[in-house]
Amino acid sequence: SAVISQKPSRDICQRGTSLTIQCQVDSQVTMMFWYRQQPGQSLTLIATANQGSEATYESGFVIDKFPISRPNLTFSTLTVSNMSPEDSSIYLCSVEKGDYEQYFGPGTRLTVT
Amino acid sequence: DAKTTQPPSMDCAEGRAANLPCNHSTISGNEYVYWYRQIHSQGPQYIIHGLKNNETNEMASLIITEDRKSSTLILPHATLRDTAVYYCIVRVAGNDMRFGAGTRLTVKP
Repeated sequence: SAVISQKPSRDICQRGTSLTIQCQVDSQVTMMFWYRQQPGQSLTLIATANQGSEATYESGFVIDKFPISRPNLTFSTLTVSNMSPEDSSIYLCSVEKGDYEQYFGPGTRLTVT
Repeated sequence: DAKTTQPPSMDCAEGRAANLPCNHSTISGNEYVYWYRQIHSQGPQYIIHGLKNNETNEMASLIITEDRKSSTLILPHATLRDTAVYYCIVRVAGNDMRFGAGTRLTVKP
C-alpha cells in the first residue's frame, strides 16, 4: 500500500489568487495523478504526472491554470492559478503502486470566495 | 477504457450482505474491474480488483460473470461504517482511473 499526505487539508482563498497543493508519498512511485471533485460530483482526472517528464493534461484542463511539478519520486505539487469560485472543489492526488492498485490522498478542500 | 453502469443508490440492512452490481458490457480482454469507495469527503479507498476470476479479501468479494460483462461487489456483513459511494471502474493496468457516478450505499440499522 501507500500512505499519502496532502497539504493543506483545506483552505479558503480569494478570487484571483493562487494556491499550491502538496502531495507527499511514503515510498517512491512512478505515476502520480491529480483529480478534482466538485461539490456533489464524482472525481475528474486533471492530469498525470510522471517524474522526469511534463505532466499530461486531460481535456478541459490546461497547464497555465493547473501547473504541476514532479521534482522526485515521492512528491508533487498542483497549483490552482487565478482562482474563481468555480474552482471550489476537493483536489486529490493518487499514486500507482505495484499490483495495479491506486491509492488516494485525503484531499484538499478549496473554497474560493 | 470501457464505461460502467451502476444503480445510483441502494439500501442495505445492517448485518446483511450488500450486493452492488456493475455492468461493463464493452470491457476489453486486458481491462481489470476495480472497486473503490468514498466515505463522505474522504479520499477514495481501494476495495478489490479482478480480471476474470472471483476475488476475495478481508473487505469484500468480487464476482465477475464468465463473459466479464458484469460484476458484483459483495460486502458480507454490512455495518453502518460501510455507508459510502461505491465506484466500479474498468481500466487497463497502469492507466488512470476514470470515475463514474457510483452507487450510494446506505446501511440502515
